[in-house]
Amino acid sequence: AQKITQTQPGMFVQEKEAVTLDCTYDTSDPSYGLFWYKQPSSGEMIFLIYQGSYDQQNATEGRYSLNFQKARKSANLVISASQLGDSAMYFCAMRERGRGTASKLTFGTGTRLQVTL
Amino acid sequence: NAGVTQTPKFQVLKTGQSMTLQCAQDMNHNSMYWYRQDPGMGLRLIYYSASEGTTDKGEVPNGYNVSRLNKREFSLRLESAAPSQTSVYFCASSDRGAGANVLTFGAGSRLTVL
Repeated sequence: AQKITQTQPGMFVQEKEAVTLDCTYDTSDPSYGLFWYKQPSSGEMIFLIYQGSYDQQNATEGRYSLNFQKARKSANLVISASQLGDSAMYFCAMRERGRGTASKLTFGTGTRLQVTL
Repeated sequence: NAGVTQTPKFQVLKTGQSMTLQCAQDMNHNSMYWYRQDPGMGLRLIYYSASEGTTDKGEVPNGYNVSRLNKREFSLRLESAAPSQTSVYFCASSDRGAGANVLTFGAGSRLTVL
């Protein structure tokens, strides 16, 4: 069975600094995908970034990058130049293949990030 | 562009009552999902529908039923609500394009069972 572990329940970062949110995973499937979602206090789930298991380069999307270390089974999210609006809950998730083209996600327990002045 | 729309946003039930959460997407996605979110536990998959006409169990299906009414709509039914079903419920949809097959989520439905 797939497992996602986020060991940091809460993190603080100063505005304009970079922060790394940790995520480790476990799977026996050689083909998988890793996702990060942001959940602000309003409650919606916002997709941030995706990394496929066969992708050669680390994914980047604006200020977000994914530090993918396949041998260590880690997929850490790096947020550069933090902004107050980055304060939110962040979830790491792994895709398990479902029936047909369905994409079943297993989520970690999340990390609450607080950006301070 | 509405994306994924869930109704109702809030609901309070008494133990034993039934209700249906409705979900509709306007992105022509093939696959749809129902997740629940409990404090400290992340999101857990209840049921999913890979395509119109199919439904499959996820990690926590007990106490729920689903119906894929058509390609747009996927409903979640609680036949006899229990306090353990107090949670925030999210509907999502996805389609396999090139690469990620990202799930797009609705805004969530907060359910309280007394």
